[in-house]
Amino acid sequence: GAGVSQSPSNKVTEKGKDVELRCDPISGHTALYWYRQSLGQGLEFLIYFQGNSAPDKSGLPSDRFSAERTGGSVSTLTIQRTQQEDSAVYLCASSSLGQGANQPQHFGDGTRLSIL
Amino acid sequence: DQQVKQNSPSLSVQEGRISILNCDYTNSMFDYFLWYKKYPAEGPTFLISISSIKDKNEDGRFTVFLNKSAKHLSLHIVPSQPGDSAVYFCAANSMEYGNKLVFGAGTILRVKS
Repeated sequence: GAGVSQSPSNKVTEKGKDVELRCDPISGHTALYWYRQSLGQGLEFLIYFQGNSAPDKSGLPSDRFSAERTGGSVSTLTIQRTQQEDSAVYLCASSSLGQGANQPQHFGDGTRLSIL
Repeated sequence: DQQVKQNSPSLSVQEGRISILNCDYTNSMFDYFLWYKKYPAEGPTFLISISSIKDKNEDGRFTVFLNKSAKHLSLHIVPSQPGDSAVYFCAANSMEYGNKLVFGAGTILRVKS
C-alpha cells in the first residue's frame, strides 16, 4: 500500500537482547518520526529525521536507543540491552514538510514490543 | 510536565448526537494543532488540523475550534456514528521545535446505537 509500513508488527524478546524495528515511510516524504506509546499513555516523541539534516534525538530516553535513516528513506530504530520498561508500541510517522507550512504526520500501525 | 492535556479519559454519546472532545495546552509557542483517531492495534489516523492563525476548521462531520486566549481546542463530531468509537488524541507542534508532535493522553469515545 501507499501508507507507512512497519515491521515486525509484534516482537517478543528476552531482557538484555537487542532489537531492531523497521519503518518504510510514505514515498516522497522527507520527514520521518519515531514515537512510542506505553500502556495507558499518550504518544511520546523519540527522534526526528528531516532530509539530510542532523536528526533531532532529544526524545530518546537513554543511550541504549539509536536510530538511523539510510538513503533518506527507510529507518531503523535499535534498542540495545532491552529492559522491561522498554515494552511499548513503537510508532513511525512520516510527513512532507511544506515550505513554512505545517503538514500532518501519517502513522504506521506500529511494532508492539514486549520484553520478558 | 504535560504540555497537552485531555482531561476526559472517556466520553459516551448517543448515535446521531454531537460529540465534543476537549484539549488544553500550556505552551504558547504551539502553532499547529491536530486530532488523530486510533482504533485498537492500528496506528493513529489523521483527522483534522488547524493552524494558530485560524479559529475554526471544518471537514465534513468534523470541526475543530481553537481558542488561543484560553489555550483550548475542541473537536466536534456531528452527527456521531458508531464507527466513530475510538481513542481520540489531540496533538500540537511548532516549527520552532522541528515539528515533533506533543500528544495528549487521549479520550475514549463510545458512540451508542
